[in-house]
Amino acid sequence: SYELTQPPSVSVSPGQTARITCSGDALPKQYAYWYQQKPGQAPMLVIYKDSERPSGIPERFSGSSSGTTVTLTISGVQAEDEADYYCQSADSSGVVFGGGTKLTVL
Amino acid sequence: EVRLVESGGGLVKPGGSLRLSCAASGFTFNNAWMSWVRQAPGKGLEWVGRIKSKSDGERTDYAAPVKGRFTISRDDSKDKLYLQMNSLRTEDTAVYYCSTTPRTLAAAEYSQHWGRGTLVTVSS
Repeated sequence: SYELTQPPSVSVSPGQTARITCSGDALPKQYAYWYQQKPGQAPMLVIYKDSERPSGIPERFSGSSSGTTVTLTISGVQAEDEADYYCQSADSSGVVFGGGTKLTVL
Repeated sequence: EVRLVESGGGLVKPGGSLRLSCAASGFTFNNAWMSWVRQAPGKGLEWVGRIKSKSDGERTDYAAPVKGRFTISRDDSKDKLYLQMNSLRTEDTAVYYCSTTPRTLAAAEYSQHWGRGTLVTVSS
């Protein structure tokens, strides 16, 4: 079955740039999406169609795509950005999520 | 403002059944595609399935682990989404979220707005 691979954890200091990658064979053919989930809360969409930002999402969140890898970049990380981040795409069997990356703000 | 409120979760024995509901407001429900996504305790997100709008044939698609056991339906007159879960297994224990899914014809589907979820525990 189709898999999306994310690093389990990423750590950055406040004000630095965090980059979270997501790899999958079908990513060159399908859009990727990113969700932020804080403890005890529902996920929230932060990037859609590889690089589009929903209204209300801060400009420090951006997305990019290159080949079989998509990247969520958070510039000028703030303490409130500490959360789990999930990438998502799809194949012929349906929607697929990555395993999630825990972003720790040191 | 889009609002999604799930209900119906609880404790059920293996082999049992449960029906979850999702009450929607703040958007035109009968035009919307809707999805269910679940999250086992301490684990990641897992897509359960999706139902399209009536105008798109109310087509449903399901993830392999739930196909044949779970059924998604909708009542547009009540702005409600349902998830009927039969033959429940311990591995179905999770928080179940309903979400809006923007209509796409070729691109990967995704969840735009999410409810807060309802917990289903399958245990003897």
